[in-house]
Amino acid sequence: KAGVTQTPRYLIKTRGQQVTLSCSPISGHRSVSWYQQTPGQGLQFLFEYFSETQRNKGNFPGRFSGRQFSNSRSEMNVSTLELGDSALYLCASTYTGDNTEAFFGQGTRLTVV
Amino acid sequence: AQSVTQPDIHITVSEGASLELRCNYSYGATPYLFWYVQSPGQGLQLLLKYFSGDTLVQGIKGFEAEFKRSQSSFNLRKPSVHWSDAAEYFCAVDSNFGNEKLTFGTGTRLTIIP
Repeated sequence: KAGVTQTPRYLIKTRGQQVTLSCSPISGHRSVSWYQQTPGQGLQFLFEYFSETQRNKGNFPGRFSGRQFSNSRSEMNVSTLELGDSALYLCASTYTGDNTEAFFGQGTRLTVV
Repeated sequence: AQSVTQPDIHITVSEGASLELRCNYSYGATPYLFWYVQSPGQGLQLLLKYFSGDTLVQGIKGFEAEFKRSQSSFNLRKPSVHWSDAAEYFCAVDSNFGNEKLTFGTGTRLTIIP
């Protein structure tokens, strides 16, 4: 079956703009989590959605938001981009939402200039 | 709050040599523990996981890890590395409090020399 699909793979944005990233989980998976990966901070949890509801949120400013649709696809949005938002954004999907096995997408590489 | 420490930022081993990557966690109860591997420009692939039971777990690609509660460790091992094992390795913990989010270590970059 198809894996986790993240689009786009690469993105270049200007400071102050906003961006929307998309994640399509594995068919049947209802939980989607988002992570930010940077050389300085490593992998950090952003938020997790299950059945269209945000269940968990990491320590990120309100500029970072997300949502999940009825088909479990998820989007995350970053408004008023800053240079420090440049990162690899990874999405993970799980079947039960308990991280018994999280499957990761290849990520979206966001560069803010 | 839980935390994960990977004390080795970079390890270099010769092809065919054995490998051990260290991981220590800080957590009050028995956590769910994971090892992931990431190749350049790629996402994370699960190597193995520990929830309970046998403390020695087998994973994919010939990797294994041992959970030692007394040392709060979950070290990853492989008896003989291959050049294709060169990648970054992440240890992670799930709090098991229903947070359902992974806390990752800072990663260990593995270089293989011929």
